[in-house]
This record gives sequence, structure tokens and C-alpha cells, in this order.
Amino acid sequence: GQNIDQPTEMTATEGAIVQINCTYQTSGFNGLFWYQQHAGEAPTFLSYNVLDGLEEKGRFSSFLSRSKGYSYLLLKELQMKDSASYLCAVTLGGGNKLTFGTGTQLKVEL
Amino acid sequence: NAGVTQTPKFRILKIGQSMTLQCTQDMNHNYMYWYRQDPGMGLKLIYYSVGAGITDKGEVPNGYNVSRSTTEDFPLRLELAAPSQTSVYFCASSTTKAGGMRELFFGSGTQLSVL
Repeated sequence: GQNIDQPTEMTATEGAIVQINCTYQTSGFNGLFWYQQHAGEAPTFLSYNVLDGLEEKGRFSSFLSRSKGYSYLLLKELQMKDSASYLCAVTLGGGNKLTFGTGTQLKVEL
Repeated sequence: NAGVTQTPKFRILKIGQSMTLQCTQDMNHNYMYWYRQDPGMGLKLIYYSVGAGITDKGEVPNGYNVSRSTTEDFPLRLELAAPSQTSVYFCASSTTKAGGMRELFFGSGTQLSVL
């Protein structure tokens, strides 16, 4: 089976750092994605992790621990435009399809 | 730079009507997908295809049908629309590398209401 858990909502201050966690219990785990989705828009790709460790890309970093079934997305130097939903998603087995969590709604305040 | 193109952007259907959501991509991707997203929820996979002539069910296929006659096109058919199918529909395509799919490229979405 598969179960992907993320916090429903988070609030953070402009300029701060925020960590969004994602845990999963899946059989045949292959890799993990993070997507950003602004209200009324399509999701856009942020990161992909298949091996344990940290992947850094500008202000955004993503971490994966396969043994713990755990990932986080780290957003640094928060900006108002970072207010969005952040979706954790996993590929299983043959890696042909992506299963999404329900997303974490991040609100960045002044 | 068209990418993934979905039509229409908005549609209102009456219960029992049928319609086809069109999706085409110009990136020569083999993998294509249809997702639906209900308010405040994540995306649920309806159907997917790993190449022309090949389709498979996702998590929520009931009430939908798909076909994949060409690499570019992946239409989604609703035969007898029901209120439970009110949702935002996203088509997507993906690059592939060893080990499976990679980044999903999404269309802009179709807002469908069934009344």
C-alpha cells in the first residue's frame, strides 16, 4: 500500500527558513518529488531525490532518507511569492507513475 | 514553446452529458497522465500511458476512458457526467530515464463543473 503524510498548513515569516516534512509508507519506493502549486495554477517541479541525502537548488533544498521513509523540503530566505501549496509525491516499482500527498499550504507573512 | 496543451479551460456539464478533454504535447514524451484535483486536496491519478497504444488505470478510473493513438495526444472521455466528477483536471507528460519517469510537465488545467 501507499500512504503519504504532510502537514496541512504552515505559516512562516518573510526572510525566515521553513522546513516542510513528508513521510511515506510505500512498498516498492523508487524516488520522491517535490512540486510547488500556486492557487489556480498547475504544479511546477521543484526537486527529485532518489538517493539518500540533500539536494540543493538555490533557495530550495530537498532531503531524503529511504530507510526512514522521510523527506523534507527546506525553503530559505522566504519571499511572499513562496506562499503556495507544496506537494510531496513518490514513484513506485517501475517508476511509471507518480502518487501525490495532499500538499502543505504555506503562508508567508510580513 | 507550447509544452502540454489542454482544452477547454472551463466547462459546465449537465448530469448525464458526455465530453472529451483534449491534451496534446509537443515534447515527444512517451509518458502521459491524467490527474484530477478536488479543492484542498492533492492530485489523484485517473489514467496513464507509457506510449502510443498503451494505457493503464490509475487510482480513480471509474467513469472515465482514455485512448492513446499517437505519441502527442491523450484525450480523456467522460461518458455520463456525474456531480462527483466536478473537479480540476490536469494532463501531464514526463521525460523518462533509466529507472522510470522523471519531471512531470503539466498542462494549465480544466475546471469542470457537473450540475
